[in-house]
Formats: sequence, C-alpha cells, structure tokens
Amino acid sequence: EIVLTQSPGTLSLSPGERATLSCRASQSVSSSYLAWYQQKPGQAPRLLIYGASSRATGIPDRFSGSGSGTDFTLTISRLEPEDFAVYYCQQYGSSPLRLTFGGGTKVEIK
Amino acid sequence: QVQLQESGPGLVKPSQTLSLTCTVSGGSISSGGYYWSWIRQHPGKGLEWIGYIYYSGSTYYNPSLKSRVTISVDTSKNQFSLKLSSVTAADTAVYYCARFRGDSSGYYYGHFDYWGQGTLVTVSS
Repeated sequence: EIVLTQSPGTLSLSPGERATLSCRASQSVSSSYLAWYQQKPGQAPRLLIYGASSRATGIPDRFSGSGSGTDFTLTISRLEPEDFAVYYCQQYGSSPLRLTFGGGTKVEIK
Repeated sequence: QVQLQESGPGLVKPSQTLSLTCTVSGGSISSGGYYWSWIRQHPGKGLEWIGYIYYSGSTYYNPSLKSRVTISVDTSKNQFSLKLSSVTAADTAVYYCARFRGDSSGYYYGHFDYWGQGTLVTVSS
C-alpha cells in the first residue's frame, strides 16, 4: 500500500498569506493520479486539483498543484476567509489497484 | 450537474450488517469511465476508501475491508449500494458515496469528482 504523508498537520496563517501544503508518497505516484480535496466542517470533500496540477471546474486560480514522483505540493497563493479548511491528497494506481488518502492538513486562521 | 444522495439506517447494532444506498441524479450510472464509490470517515479522522463498482457490475474493494464488503449496482434505478457485515463500534463513521473518474478514451484520471453529503452511521446496541 502506498502511504501518503501530509505536512504540516496544521498550518496557522492569516488571510492574504500564502499556504504551501506538502504530500509525500512512500512510493512513486503517477502525476495523472494525484488529487487534492478541500473539506470544511460538516461537508463532503470537494475536488480542487486532479492530475497533480489541473484545477477542477470552478476552482479559483489561487489554488495550484505541482510535483511529481513522491513529492507533491498544493499552494494557495493568497488565503481567502473561505479557504480555512482541511486539505487531503489522494493517489490512485491501477496495477495493482491501490487508492489511498493522506492524513490531511488543517489550515487555520492565525 | 451530477448529484449523489446516501440513504439508510443511522444506527446499526454490533455484529449486524450495515446497508446504505446511493441514488444518482443528473447523470446516468451507466456512463463509461466512472466508478461508483463508497468512502468513509471516522469521527474527526481522515478518509478511507471502501470500494467501488462499475456499471457492468465489476467490483473493487479495499483489501483491509474486502472480507466484509459487498457493493452492488441497480442501473434501472440509477442506484448503487453498500453492505458491510459483522460491524463493530470501529465501523462508526460518516459514509460518503462518490463518483470516481477513471481512465477513459486515452485520458488518465483517478479522482473523485462528485460526492454525496454523507450519512453518519453509528454502531451501538
């Protein structure tokens, strides 16, 4: 099983600041199969980024994804009040089938 | 706009079988390239993929839950279902249904693009 380790566990920032979230995989992951989600309390996760760097429909361009191999990054260029939430990375592999999520990074208001 | 809605009992007794159904609207469950999925989230914890099913009936399960999980599909009702047997308190969680976009027509995808709102299932006597 591929383990995804997200860091930091909690990120305390102010609105307007830049957020950099890390997702490290225990084995190489195809960039096509790395996604990021945002989850707010009491809500389902929402797809932000797929294919490591492609924004999902309706996602503002302040969200960007990058990385390859075992190291991936989600960047929020300027935090808006609605961006304070928990963020998860997720990987998929088809042969053998493997699908796992990272443990999450909470972005909280400083 | 695809929408998914979970339904089923919110309380299940230990050792019994948890049963949930997900109703899909705004799109056909028989669309190629999509896998209909169940994911759960223990209280205050992260996300755990349970498994998914293709409209043809092919199923794929998380190895850690495989012995207790059955996912089925009813294309005539645009629904798919989850059964988790021999539940314990450790199965108490919010259960989400979601659409997984997989590889299709030479494009490579592996992500969940639509989610239900989730339903809390508590295992308790």
